[in-house]
Amino acid sequence: EAGVAQSPRYKIIEKRQSVAFWCNPISGHATLYWYQQILGQGPKLLIQFQNNGVVDDSQLPKDRFSAERLKGVDSTLKIQPAKLEDSAVYLCASSSGREYNEQFFGPGTRLTVL
Amino acid sequence: AQSVTQPDIHITVSEGASLELRCNYSYGATPYLFWYVQSPGQGLQLLLKYFSGDTLVQGIKGFEAEFKRSQSSFNLRKPSVHWSDAAEYFCAVGSMDSNYQLIWGAGTKLIIKP
Repeated sequence: EAGVAQSPRYKIIEKRQSVAFWCNPISGHATLYWYQQILGQGPKLLIQFQNNGVVDDSQLPKDRFSAERLKGVDSTLKIQPAKLEDSAVYLCASSSGREYNEQFFGPGTRLTVL
Repeated sequence: AQSVTQPDIHITVSEGASLELRCNYSYGATPYLFWYVQSPGQGLQLLLKYFSGDTLVQGIKGFEAEFKRSQSSFNLRKPSVHWSDAAEYFCAVGSMDSNYQLIWGAGTKLIIKP
């Protein structure tokens, strides 16, 4: 079974530029999460999708971050414009929801904002 | 407020020695408890989980954890660590009442001395 795929793995941008991350969850997984992990901290949930609907985006900075999950499969997370404090690893996870929501994680995208 | 505390930011252990990583939580609902491991440059991998039943749970890579409701703890143990266990370990708590969203500890970095 293929795992959660993310791209790119690394991205370096200047502040005020825009960036997009892509995630392809495990086939058949209805729930998809985007997390932000700042160095030295645990993951922070940004947004949770159930199929193509948003379950929770209360911690998503909506003035600069946006996310979509068209057709309830893969998803993109965008930052526009980026700030220095957005430097972090962005993790995507998916879950089938059948077994107490065990989450499977992708390798993450490390974003550096200069 | 719901929270997860991992009191130790770093732990250094000699190869072959035993290990215990601490996790305490504050959670109103019946918790589901998880331990994940994150190796450098990798995504998070589930080590073990507790939902109900036997309070001592076995996981992958020789790890186990014990749920102690009276102490609100879910400590991770391993009888003999290997150099390959060097990584960051995260404790997380979730429940059905919170859309199965996970609350994460800040992580404990495990350093193995040769």
